[in-house]
Amino acid sequence: QSALTQPASVSGSPGQSITISCTGTSSDVGGYNYVSWYQQHPGKAPKLMIYEVSNRPSGVPDRFSGSKSGNTASLTISGLQAEDEADYYCCSYTSTKTVIFGGGTKLTVL
Amino acid sequence: EVQLVESGGGLVQPGGSLRLSCAASGFTFSSYWMSWVRQAPGKGLEWVAYIKEDGSEKKYVDSVKGRFTISRDNAKNSLYLQMNSLRAEDTAVYYCARDRSRFYYWGQGTLVTVSS
Repeated sequence: QSALTQPASVSGSPGQSITISCTGTSSDVGGYNYVSWYQQHPGKAPKLMIYEVSNRPSGVPDRFSGSKSGNTASLTISGLQAEDEADYYCCSYTSTKTVIFGGGTKLTVL
Repeated sequence: EVQLVESGGGLVQPGGSLRLSCAASGFTFSSYWMSWVRQAPGKGLEWVAYIKEDGSEKKYVDSVKGRFTISRDNAKNSLYLQMNSLRAEDTAVYYCARDRSRFYYWGQGTLVTVSS
């Protein structure tokens, strides 16, 4: 099964908003509301930022939001800050009861 | 405080075996699905396997089916990954994570290197 499709990189200036897309199929992203997003800084374990499409775990700033339309999920970060610079991965449950990640997106804060 | 601590990684020759362990604490281990996720050097995250709370259901990514076995010992609050017939492409940091697809807690990872 191929990874979910994410842009390799996105960038934005401090204070701006960016959106990272995650495209799958009706067998994963489009078929379930079990889409999650992870932030990973170099050398660190991933951190859950969004679960079940649009829910934020406690402690995650409300600058981070998630949504889904059809087979594409999106992570939006508003009010970009320097510490947001990291790799971001989407993840979805699938119709074969497996789990699939996106290829990852490198966010650069200019 | 929830803690997941992996161990058992190291250097192994192609075709060899390795058993990873993940010691869990700070939560009721027997009440949660558990998963293994790996990350090859410089690459993205790849889900490897998960196991149900009581061990009755297991799922694997196609690339490890028949070679890797996930298991757990709820009495010891421990998760395992038995890896056989290892290949160069299995080289990665292996993380254990709580839950099946909403990975709130992660371990620090253990590096597995498959090389001759």
